[in-house]
This record gives sequence, C-alpha cells and structure tokens, in this order.
Amino acid sequence: DTAVSQTPKYLVTQMGNDKSIKCEQNLGHDTMYWYKQDSKKFLKIMFSYNNKELIINETVPNRFSPKSPDKAHLNLHINSLELGDSAVYFCASSPLGTTRDTQYFGPGTRLTVL
Amino acid sequence: AQKITQTQPGMFVQEKEAVTLDCTYDTSDQSYGLFWYKQPSSGEMIFLIYQGSYDEQNATEGRYSLNFQKARKSANLVISASQLGDSAMYFCAMREYYTGANSKLTFGKGITLSVRP
Repeated sequence: DTAVSQTPKYLVTQMGNDKSIKCEQNLGHDTMYWYKQDSKKFLKIMFSYNNKELIINETVPNRFSPKSPDKAHLNLHINSLELGDSAVYFCASSPLGTTRDTQYFGPGTRLTVL
Repeated sequence: AQKITQTQPGMFVQEKEAVTLDCTYDTSDQSYGLFWYKQPSSGEMIFLIYQGSYDEQNATEGRYSLNFQKARKSANLVISASQLGDSAMYFCAMREYYTGANSKLTFGKGITLSVRP
C-alpha cells in the first residue's frame, strides 16, 4: 500500500500554463506539506495544512495555491508557470505537526517548464 | 545564519566499512527534533532516523545511529557495514516549534555518499 502518493510523477508544460499536482495519504495523518527541491537538491517547505487548515505559507508566490478538500488530500495548483518553477515537488504528511512527528514523503513530481 | 549545515563534499566509503556523515544545527529552541533522510538516485525521500532534543540516548535504527552532541549542536549519522545500496544523497533536517501544533522541517544541503565495492 502506498502511504503518500502523488500524481503525476512527471509534468512537462509550457510557460504560462496552469497545472495541478495531486497528493493523497492513507496514513490517517493530520498534517500535510508541500516542499520544493530545486536543481541543487535544496529542499524548502512551501505550505503546511493541518486538518484542511493552512498553517504555514513560506513566502511562496501567490501563483501557487494549495487546496485541501479533506485531511487525506492536499493538491497544489500553479498558475502562469514560469521557467523558475521547474523543480521536484514533494508532498509529505505527519501525524501531527509537533517536533517529534516524522514526516513521510511522497515520491515527488518532477515539473519541467519549457 | 544557516539552521542546518552539512559541509562535507562527496563522501566515499568502502563496502562493509562504517561512515559518518556530519551535521551541525543552530537553534535557540529547547525543544526540537533532528532527522536524517536518504534520497537515492530514484528520487524518493526515505526517513532513516530521529533524535529528540530531550532524548538522553543516541538514536539507533538498524545499521543507522545518530551521534547526538547537544552542547556542540551536532547530529552526525553513522552508517555501519556500508552496502552498495547506501549510495545516495543524505539530508539532515531539524524540526523546531513553529506555531500551534505545527512546526516546519528545515533541511541541510545534503551529502552525497558513494559506496565502493
């Protein structure tokens, strides 16, 4: 059973397009996250949600809009894609959001903007 | 200032030997957690080990152990009996108290480990 899944795994698109990445977790976790890993492999948090409520929004352009229809799903919609948005996007989840709670990552979505 | 520092260049180790991957951190919080993740060439992020700031014992998980030195603010990962499948990028991360019931994970830049047969 896949714990944290993301679709699609690869996404190639033109500048200016709008695209979405979907994430689902079947671990019963309360908190979900989006991270961006750039071309130098640096990982940075973008958003976190706790029970469908936005908790963390880390100075991400407002072209990025997360949506959590329920606590098992956290989708990422990106408007007007730019070349600099090319990266690997990881979804993660944890039981709560405390310092002790391990985050489990999805397989990542490699976004390429042409 | 960087919160998590991983400064080693690419590391090499002979199969079956032990290797230590360094990590230092910076925080003024008393309560925090330290994590190590492995990212193989296939790209997924695999959780390896966790150490809490109040844990008195060093964490161990199979061949992985964490050498936690709180006063020095270091949390080095030790991999014993290296295997070819250990070749990957390794990330150290810290989780601090952020707000309410949530906290964020801050990652270091990662260290590439290559295991030689």
